[in-house]
Amino acid sequence: GAVVSQHPSWVICKSGTSVKIECRSLDFQATTMFWYRQFPKQSLMLMATSNEGSKATYEQGVEKDKFLINHASLTLSTLTVTSAHPEDSSFYICSARTPPHDYGYTFGSGTRLTVV
Amino acid sequence: GQNIDQPTEMTATEGAIVQINCTYQTSGFNGLFWYQQHAGEAPTFLSYNVLDGLEEKGGFSSFLSRSKGYSYLLLKELPMKDSASYLCVSMDSNYQLIWGAGTKLIIKP
Repeated sequence: GAVVSQHPSWVICKSGTSVKIECRSLDFQATTMFWYRQFPKQSLMLMATSNEGSKATYEQGVEKDKFLINHASLTLSTLTVTSAHPEDSSFYICSARTPPHDYGYTFGSGTRLTVV
Repeated sequence: GQNIDQPTEMTATEGAIVQINCTYQTSGFNGLFWYQQHAGEAPTFLSYNVLDGLEEKGGFSSFLSRSKGYSYLLLKELPMKDSASYLCVSMDSNYQLIWGAGTKLIIKP
């Protein structure tokens, strides 16, 4: 089946530094990638939708200059958390629509970010 | 507005049957998913319903009533490993996913 590989699984960084999270579709082309954030005991919150070769679409309240998304190829999308702060500590998950059905979604394994 | 309602937490006994209910309100409708999520892990797909009725798969079933905006996930012969959160997710007319907060299912021996 379709697989989305997400790295790193967990990362601890110092406040003020930047962290890059990668998601790769391993056996299919992901024209659209979704980035979610999940705080403890809460639901997944969509942060942004990225389409290959174009600018990402951010949800209301998500700072596009802080959460940089790049989707330069059909198999790779990255999320960079810039100038991270402790309140950015969360579980970040990517997902891609899985062909051939538009309703199919495959999730990455998630990245646990802790900012100290 | 768009909204998903499901119970916050449920408790069941190992080997029993449990039904997790979900009601939804979305702008248009393109189907309803159920996902399982263990703590600290990404969600994993369980089921997808777009037509009214019951879909049965091995150890669980999922039901949908579009006119009532209602779905349930029925888990059978619960093994301990099924202790997890179960997320009800609706897809709107733009194929955007609307996530419920999840139902934490606690299974006791």
